[in-house]
Amino acid sequence: QSVLTQPPSVSAAPGQRITISCSGSSSNIGSNSVSWYQQLPGTAPKLLIYDTSERPSGIPDRFSGSKSGTSSTLDITGLQTGDEADYYCGTWDSSLSADVFGTGTKVTVL
Amino acid sequence: QVQLQESGPGLVTPSETLSLNCTVSGGSIISSIYDWGWIRQPPGKGLEWIGRIYYRGTTSYNPSLKSRVTISVDTSKNQFSLKLNSVTAADTAVYYCARQAPGTSSSYVDFWGQGTLVTVSS
Repeated sequence: QSVLTQPPSVSAAPGQRITISCSGSSSNIGSNSVSWYQQLPGTAPKLLIYDTSERPSGIPDRFSGSKSGTSSTLDITGLQTGDEADYYCGTWDSSLSADVFGTGTKVTVL
Repeated sequence: QVQLQESGPGLVTPSETLSLNCTVSGGSIISSIYDWGWIRQPPGKGLEWIGRIYYRGTTSYNPSLKSRVTISVDTSKNQFSLKLNSVTAADTAVYYCARQAPGTSSSYVDFWGQGTLVTVSS
């Protein structure tokens, strides 16, 4: 079982804004940076956000990340049909001495 | 642009050892500051980190798998490898090799292999 909890699903209409939460603890999100990944059906995950709020080259600014205490959030604005995917958060857990991923959130564009 | 490609058997017998290789192209494992890791995803489920290695041999493993896992690197082939012993059906998953940022306070995977499905069955 994962130490990072995400909502199982989030849905919204095209053009809307959605927020995906990632809840952890002081030993992971509370003390380390967070990354976010997008996994389109049948493909490998893709890095969306690193160091909590940084975007790799080529990732549109519709995607943004933030952190407050032991929770992190991924915001997607101007939702598009191509954004339908599973999204995962990730970080290092200092107590486990291990990388950990969130439970994953399925985004559906209505 | 770094590319990673997994290779190995797609079917492993229960109680045997799962062995996978990852070939890195577009960059040298030796010249990189990054770690090289393995992550798996059981069918229809989430991601699970298995472990990582730095080219000099320093490793970190998931505590839940540590007793069964060995990750090694072959710098002459620009490859790194995964061995998971005493496998059961619960080890059936898509296995990804990946490049990970060094360190722990800032940990992320910036390049992923395409993944390879390994099924454990007799």
